[in-house]
Amino acid sequence: DAGVTQSPTHLIKTRGQQVTLRCSPISGHKSVSWYQQVLGQGPQFIFQYYEKEERGRGNFPDRFSARQFPNYSSELNVNALLLGDSALYLCASSFTGPGANVLTFGAGSRLTVL
Amino acid sequence: EDQVTQSPEALRLQEGESSSLNCSYTVSGLRGLFWYRQDPGKGPEFLFTLYSAGEEKEKERLKATLTKKESFLHITAPKPEDSATYLCAVPTWGSSNTGKLIFGQGTTLQVKP
Repeated sequence: DAGVTQSPTHLIKTRGQQVTLRCSPISGHKSVSWYQQVLGQGPQFIFQYYEKEERGRGNFPDRFSARQFPNYSSELNVNALLLGDSALYLCASSFTGPGANVLTFGAGSRLTVL
Repeated sequence: EDQVTQSPEALRLQEGESSSLNCSYTVSGLRGLFWYRQDPGKGPEFLFTLYSAGEEKEKERLKATLTKKESFLHITAPKPEDSATYLCAVPTWGSSNTGKLIFGQGTTLQVKP
């Protein structure tokens, strides 16, 4: 079975540009979450989407936006890139519902901002 | 404020040398604690979920335990292939699922042959 797939795997942008990252969840998973992981740190929560609705947002500026499509795939957009946006962007999918559920992560998209 | 702290930041072991990694947490109403393993350039891979103090779970050379304030990941007779960064995480208060996790900064383990 395919796991969580993300694209592109690596990309290089310059300051001020915009980037779109894509994620396909595990089949049957309806929730997608995005995390930013700066080198040497743990992942930091950016967004969670379920059934195409935003269900949570972390402490990130409005330059960060996301959406979820009817097939449950998701995109993360970052505008006006800054050097500090350089990071590994991780997508995770899960079942939703009461109680704790396991997140399954993709391999990530490595963004470098020059 | 919900917080997760891991120690040590880095750990070097000889093959076969057992040790423990620590994860201390401050959260209002624990709804599970998760351990993940992350290899360089890859996403975190799920290892364990613990829900209540006193609970233990094992997988091969790894055993995770939970108290009311911290969790330990015990590594018994590690092998070089156990080298990775180990992350612990807890759900934020009020979430009905684990889509929103607070992660520690991780412990990078290196096991030398």
